[in-house]
Amino acid sequence: RKEVEQDPGPFNVPEGATVAFNCTYSNSASQSFFWYRQDCRKEPKLLMSVYSSGNEDGRFTAQLNRASQYISLLIRDSKLSDSATYLCVVNVEGNYGQNFVFGPGTRLSVLP
Amino acid sequence: DTEVTQTPKHLVMGMTNKKSLKCEQHMGHRAMYWYKQKAKKPPELMFVYSYEKLSINESVPSRFSPECPNSSLLNLHLHALQPEDSALYLCASSQAGTLTEAFFGQGTRLTVV
Repeated sequence: RKEVEQDPGPFNVPEGATVAFNCTYSNSASQSFFWYRQDCRKEPKLLMSVYSSGNEDGRFTAQLNRASQYISLLIRDSKLSDSATYLCVVNVEGNYGQNFVFGPGTRLSVLP
Repeated sequence: DTEVTQTPKHLVMGMTNKKSLKCEQHMGHRAMYWYKQKAKKPPELMFVYSYEKLSINESVPSRFSPECPNSSLLNLHLHALQPEDSALYLCASSQAGTLTEAFFGQGTRLTVV
């Protein structure tokens, strides 16, 4: 089983749609959680950190359920510029330092 | 300054060449990382340096040799690479010992011919 799993995608949605991404992680020692977005041939960029209490940033809402080891990202009123690959990232800090583990990513295409 | 700078942006090298990738950050981060990313795949961890010491080596072949000369710099020395090593090599940094995010450089797109 992969350490971090995501919806396989791709997701093709019209402008203005609401889209939800799901992510699960297997390592219960995981300590912090993030959503990154990656545009084609570019580096990953932080979209938002994910907290147990849930957090919102404009059109984006992230939720974390530690008991279920589940993370979600909701995008409301999607824009053409939201088209990208969304990467669920889990940070595990152990005796040998910390490690950011990436899920396989879910590709989103927002269509006009 | 929240930037991680990588050079070169593109590199083409032969299988007998020796080259180095460079990474620099001035955010005071004491954890630095090398990731390898193949097309349509997520980044895969290669090495982690924590306080300038190699803390994680994800069973990377010895033809890849990391170096952390000081807290701001990270190098990846390449020697006798194979065509399958062609990929995007990403450097990242984060605050060590905290749960905060990693910042990524723009990457070096490496082609081995």
